[in-house]
Amino acid sequence: QKEVEQNSGPLSVPEGAIASLNCTYSDRGSQSFFWYRQYSGKSPELIMSIYSNGDKEDGRFTAQLNKASQYVSLLIRDSQPSDSATYLCAVSSGGSNYKLTFGKGTLLTVNP
Amino acid sequence: DTAVSQTPKYLVTQMGNDKSIKCEQNLGHDTMYWYKQDSKKFLKIMFSYNNKELIINETVPNRFSPKSPDKAHLNLHINSLELGDSAVYFCASRPGTSGSQQFFGPGTRLTVL
Repeated sequence: QKEVEQNSGPLSVPEGAIASLNCTYSDRGSQSFFWYRQYSGKSPELIMSIYSNGDKEDGRFTAQLNKASQYVSLLIRDSQPSDSATYLCAVSSGGSNYKLTFGKGTLLTVNP
Repeated sequence: DTAVSQTPKYLVTQMGNDKSIKCEQNLGHDTMYWYKQDSKKFLKIMFSYNNKELIINETVPNRFSPKSPDKAHLNLHINSLELGDSAVYFCASRPGTSGSQQFFGPGTRLTVL
């Protein structure tokens, strides 16, 4: 059974701080890694994707991937109250039967 | 302009009833999915279709039957609804390119009484 594990939180940070979200996965064949943000009552929206080891930066967001450790993280710099949401880590092994396996999400609260 | 749309947005029904949820995408994507998100926010895949062909069928009760009349539509029919079916059901789609992201619909909140 392929699994994706996240700290369920809640994670609470003050406005302007760095929020760090972590995710581990069990399938060593995983090739694609995604972070989705989900506001309460809304659908998941993609905020970052990463496919190779190292860091990938997009604005205030940085995704980090370490395939040897089967670990992917998301850093949010200068956190804003509008970043308060559930963050879902998703992993795919690719192939013809492409599907995403999601973690249970981490609830982030940014306090003004 | 809606990329992935679902109807209805809310569905309240009695145990034992049969209901359907419809999904349409106007992105020209080849692959569509149904996910179930339970009260604890766990998002789990149920089915996937690629160009009208079923390619993923997770461990889902056979009361759930997907149907794809064309590659832009993927509907979900549920027979004999049970209390445990209460959840938010999300439709999603993606292009055929490996590694590409999935785009989610707004969700259908199903409540079984």
